[in-house]
Amino acid sequence: KAGVTQTPRYLIKTRGQQVTLSCSPISGHRSVSWYQQTPGQGLQFLFEYFSETQRNKGNFPGRFSGRQFSNSRSEMNVSTLELGDSALYLCASSLAQAVSSTDTQYFGPGTRLTVL
Amino acid sequence: AQSVTQPDIHITVSEGASLELRCNYSYGATPYLFWYVQSPGQGLQLLLKYFSGDTLVQGIKGFEAEFKRSQSSFNLRKPSVHWSDAAEYFCAVGANTGFQKLVFGTGTRLLVSP
Repeated sequence: KAGVTQTPRYLIKTRGQQVTLSCSPISGHRSVSWYQQTPGQGLQFLFEYFSETQRNKGNFPGRFSGRQFSNSRSEMNVSTLELGDSALYLCASSLAQAVSSTDTQYFGPGTRLTVL
Repeated sequence: AQSVTQPDIHITVSEGASLELRCNYSYGATPYLFWYVQSPGQGLQLLLKYFSGDTLVQGIKGFEAEFKRSQSSFNLRKPSVHWSDAAEYFCAVGANTGFQKLVFGTGTRLLVSP
């Protein structure tokens, strides 16, 4: 069974540009969560989606947005990039809409975004 | 709100020696606790999780963790470390709030010396 796929794996952008990252969950999974990982702040929750609905959002500015499609694939967008947006962006997929003992969040390898 | 503290940024252990990584959490109700491992260039892999019941949880790769409510801790242990265990380890807490959101600690980087 294929794992969580994230594309692209690496991305270099300049300040002020916008970027779109893609996440394809494990087949059958309807929940997708996004996290930002930086050396200074660690892993921080961005948002989570279930069946095309954003159910929860972290404490990030409105420049960070996302969506989920009917096939459960998800994209996140960052507009007006800043140097501080350089990070590893991880997505995770799971079956259920909430943490449960019978479910597991599987993480993708991440997209490494560098903002120059 | 939940929070997680991993007090050790780096730990070096000799191959074959035992390992204990510390994790303290803060949450008002019964927490859902997780340990993930991240190898360079990789995503996170779940090692084990605790929801309820037995306070000693067995995971993959020979890892185990013990939930101690009185100490708000969920320490990860392995009796004999292998060179391939060198990675970064994250403790995380989830909540029974109907969401998938996890709150992660800052991680502990494990170095294994020959």
